[in-house]
Amino acid sequence: IAGITQAPTSQILAAGRRMTLRCTQDMRHNAMYWYRQDLGLGLRLIHYSNTAGTTGKGEVPDGYSVSRANTDDFPLTLASAVPSQTSVYFCASSDPTGGADNEQFFGPGTRLTVL
Amino acid sequence: AQSVTQLDSQVPVFEEAPVELRCNYSSSVSVYLFWYVQYPNQGLQLLLKYLSGSTLVKGINGFEAEFNKSQTSFHLRKPSVHISDTAEYFCAVSDTGNQFYFGTGTSLTVIP
Repeated sequence: IAGITQAPTSQILAAGRRMTLRCTQDMRHNAMYWYRQDLGLGLRLIHYSNTAGTTGKGEVPDGYSVSRANTDDFPLTLASAVPSQTSVYFCASSDPTGGADNEQFFGPGTRLTVL
Repeated sequence: AQSVTQLDSQVPVFEEAPVELRCNYSSSVSVYLFWYVQYPNQGLQLLLKYLSGSTLVKGINGFEAEFNKSQTSFHLRKPSVHISDTAEYFCAVSDTGNQFYFGTGTSLTVIP
């Protein structure tokens, strides 16, 4: 069982380029999340999805989009990357009931540098 | 929305000494509380969580935390730390909205 996988592990990107960060989970979790982690700011929620076919905005959604075509995949797209999007991105999921008392499971992260 | 405050950004402690990492939250509704650990270059792993019941929660690796509703705190403790406990620790709260709110993290460094 892999849990949550993210790709790529790291990426250097020129400003203005489009980039999609991939996230796949094999736990059949309904809820999935994207966070960015920045020094001194902790983890901030970008977008989330409570179930396949639905998405919602988190704390810092601007410049990012997501889709949830199926249960397993939750890609995050930067339409036109900017240097302020340099960060470490974590994908997470929570178990089938999706209740607030359920822990989130995290992927290993993607380190993105925008120049 | 909820907010989580981790008062200490860095905590150095000698090996085998006790440690407490502080966490306070603000909420007007019932919440669930979590502590996660992040080792270098890895994702977050759950240490422990408080859902209901006993206010003292025991987690993995000898850590425990106590929920104090009147002080809106959920401090993490370990009586004797090891070198391997060096990591970043995050307190988090979730509410009925099914969103998690994380603190800014506390970097624990265990000194040999």
